[in-house]
Amino acid sequence: GAGVSQSPSNKVTEKGKDVELRCDPISGHTALYWYRQSLGQGLEFLIYFQGNSAPDKSGLPSDRFSAERTGGSVSTLTIQRTQQEDSAVYLCASSSTSGGGTDTQYFGPGTRLTVL
Amino acid sequence: GNSVTQMEGPVTLSEEAFLTINCTYTATGYPSLFWYVQYPGEGLQLLLKATKADDKGSNKGFEATYRKETTSFHLEKGSVQVSDSAVYFCALSTAGANSKLTFGKGITLSVRP
Repeated sequence: GAGVSQSPSNKVTEKGKDVELRCDPISGHTALYWYRQSLGQGLEFLIYFQGNSAPDKSGLPSDRFSAERTGGSVSTLTIQRTQQEDSAVYLCASSSTSGGGTDTQYFGPGTRLTVL
Repeated sequence: GNSVTQMEGPVTLSEEAFLTINCTYTATGYPSLFWYVQYPGEGLQLLLKATKADDKGSNKGFEATYRKETTSFHLEKGSVQVSDSAVYFCALSTAGANSKLTFGKGITLSVRP
């Protein structure tokens, strides 16, 4: 079946602009995660959704970052007033259950964000 | 909190060499352990996992054993191939942390013919 998809695959923006990144999880997966991969920081957790709720937003680096999920499916990560330090690859992952700690997360191909 | 430490890289090996990539962890609670791999130009994919002590995960000739006494999950392969060239990430998740993954810094493996 279809895997996790993300769009756009690449995004170049100017400092100060807002950007939206989209994630389509595997159908039926209730848990959805956003991570960021950057050279300096490695792979970092950003936010976790269970259904449409976000019980864990502890990884969001500032209030310029927000995310939502609708219909228990598609999620959008929004970065307002982008800064150069936001440049990274943003990864989305989904899993069929959550909370138990044993679940396998399936990753999308990522969105490479470059802030000029 | 949770953390994962991987050996420093990069690692360069000749084809058919033995591979060991070290991974140790600290965790609040009882973790599940994972190795993810990122091939050039591709996304992150699960290589193997283990969810309880002494479990051995295996896939594509790679193995790793969950060692609770040494808090380790070292990745091994008896004979690497050029196609194994990739970045390897050790990771853990715990129920108490909503199953979010905590990753090591990753290590780049290059296998030369």
